[in-house]
Amino acid sequence: DTEVTQTPKHLVMGMTNKKSLKCEQHMGHRAMYWYKQKAKKPPELMFVYSYEKLSINESVPSRFSPECPNSSLLNLHLHALQPEDSALYLCASSQVTGGSTDTQYFGPGTRLTVL
Amino acid sequence: AQSVSQHNHHVILSEAASLELGCNYSYGGTVNLFWYVQYPGQHLQLLLKYFSGDPLVKGIKGFEAEFIKSKFSFNLRKPSVQWSDTAEYFCAHSYSSASKIIFGSGTRLSIRP
Repeated sequence: DTEVTQTPKHLVMGMTNKKSLKCEQHMGHRAMYWYKQKAKKPPELMFVYSYEKLSINESVPSRFSPECPNSSLLNLHLHALQPEDSALYLCASSQVTGGSTDTQYFGPGTRLTVL
Repeated sequence: AQSVSQHNHHVILSEAASLELGCNYSYGGTVNLFWYVQYPGQHLQLLLKYFSGDPLVKGIKGFEAEFIKSKFSFNLRKPSVQWSDTAEYFCAHSYSSASKIIFGSGTRLSIRP
């Protein structure tokens, strides 16, 4: 099973709302990632969790708050977003065997629209 | 800074034509190279990867790529494309000091039936 699942598939929210994106994997991977992908652009890394601890934050604004409650789950809490935050948010996971050689498996993404 | 360059933004081919998509990376150390594909409305899928060994890598769906260290290149090839190959193709690399991958800007491939 090489599946990463993400919910919801689509999300529309206002700038004052609080919402959360959820990602789950059952491959025993101990690294999980959040990416942001704008239309016709490559994915941009936001956060990396390794063994449930935040290891990389790519200078993401604090209105995005990641959380890794256990080794299978990764959440992204959203608050006071801006319309320019509208994008496809991708989750990925990988083994942690040495860092750079780990293949990342991607979920289908959550299409977020901020009004 | 490490980067990945994909030369072609949009490639249009007829079915049965041969395909080569260019990819160059800028990093002098050990690199790990990937090609991902994103079909319309679907998630990113790994086509193939190179970590070490034989520089000619075979992937899924008849794709292959060749790592040429002297040219810092990792071009993707397929001898005969099909309409179902219509997708966005991303070259990516990770490097020895980080657990993150850097994506190229992507190449949109359109196949005329």
